[in-house]
This record gives sequence, structure tokens and C-alpha cells, in this order.
Amino acid sequence: GEDVEQSLFLSVREGDSSVINCTYTDSSSTYLYWYKQEPGAGLQLLTYIFSNMDMKQDQRLTVLLNKKDKHLSLRIADTQTGDSAIYFCAERRTSGTYKYIFGTGTRLKVLA
Amino acid sequence: GAVVSQHPSRVICKSGTSVKIECRSLDFQATTMFWYRQFPKQSLMLMATSNEGSKATYEQGVEKDKFLINHASLTLSTLTVTSAHPEDSSFYICSALKGTSGSTDTQYFGPGTRLTVL
Repeated sequence: GEDVEQSLFLSVREGDSSVINCTYTDSSSTYLYWYKQEPGAGLQLLTYIFSNMDMKQDQRLTVLLNKKDKHLSLRIADTQTGDSAIYFCAERRTSGTYKYIFGTGTRLKVLA
Repeated sequence: GAVVSQHPSRVICKSGTSVKIECRSLDFQATTMFWYRQFPKQSLMLMATSNEGSKATYEQGVEKDKFLINHASLTLSTLTVTSAHPEDSSFYICSALKGTSGSTDTQYFGPGTRLTVL
């Protein structure tokens, strides 16, 4: 299908790791992104990965890409209450166009 | 940096009036900006791609006469919701493309505008 799929909810305890998953649709996607949205706010770019990479780490964030399965994940280490938000993955399908297709969003709740 | 602002952050208007929303890239120039609409607890829906100095490209199902887009400078795009009705109430988010037309160009988002039409 055309949808970029994410699980709707994730709940973790403070200090644990969070893993947010995303299944995208187009194997020719060049870049894949993770954005964070807090209530009533816009989207904050967290990180992105180029399609020829398998992994990218940036401080507490680790992105894993399985191109064969068209699966993307975001791992947040030592999750804090300030990480509670909605997380969107997005794919940029074809080089030369800058349109992003956003996932359905995962609402992360961090319990103290 | 890559800061994008939107104004106003919140607007309430009467049915039948027009509302203009501004999107500005504050510390970079953006030849391309995007306008999205987000319904409660849903993902972002791309409405149109705004190109500086040319007509906007609208997504299928988006009425161009209803949602007027003007990208008059490299740092400003405006979205005007004409003759607004309650069903136009939504969260409107813009983004600006930062880069030099290379493959690493990235969209940076504004904080959004909450439109409520009474």
C-alpha cells in the first residue's frame, strides 16, 4: 500500500530504552527521517539516514535501517519524561523531489 | 541553524472570512516551502508545494482557489484560507527546504498555526 506504517502507542519507564518502528513503502526512497512533535507544536527534526546506510547513531538516538524489509527503527536510550511526544518517520521517495511521505505517528509516553 | 516561524500561532475567525498564515525561514533562504494540514491525532497531509517566484503545486483533492499560496520572496510563503468554513478548522504547518538543491536538502518545520472557524 501507499501508507507508511507505525504503531500508534508506546509506553516505557523512565531510564529504559524506547524502540519506535516504521515500515515504509518505496524501496527507492533515498532518505528517511525521524521527527518529534510535542503537543500543539510543529515538527522537530531528530535525525535522518541515507538509504545506503544500515545504522546511524547520534547521542541517545540510534537509527537502524533494513532496506530489504523496508523497515526503519528509532531507538532512544535512557528515555526521559521530556521524550514524551509523537514521533513521525518520513520517507523521501525519489531523488529530485523533496516531498516527504509521513508515517502515521507513534505516541510515546514515558512513565516516571 | 534552521529556524522556521509561523504567524499567527492561533487564529479564530468567523465563517466566510479569509485568513492569512505566514511562514518565514529566519536564518536561511528557501526556494521551496511546503504547506501541510494536520487533523487531531493524525499524521501530516501535504497540501501544496510552494516555489519562490512561481505557482504553487497542489496535491490532488486540495482546492487551489480555496487555499491560496504566495511565495513572494526567498524567506516568506503565505497561505490564505479564503471564505473559511468550520470544516477548514485544523492545524496548519509549513516547512522550508534548506539546502542547495542537493540530495541532502532537508525540510525544517514551523511551529504550526491552529485555525478555528466559528
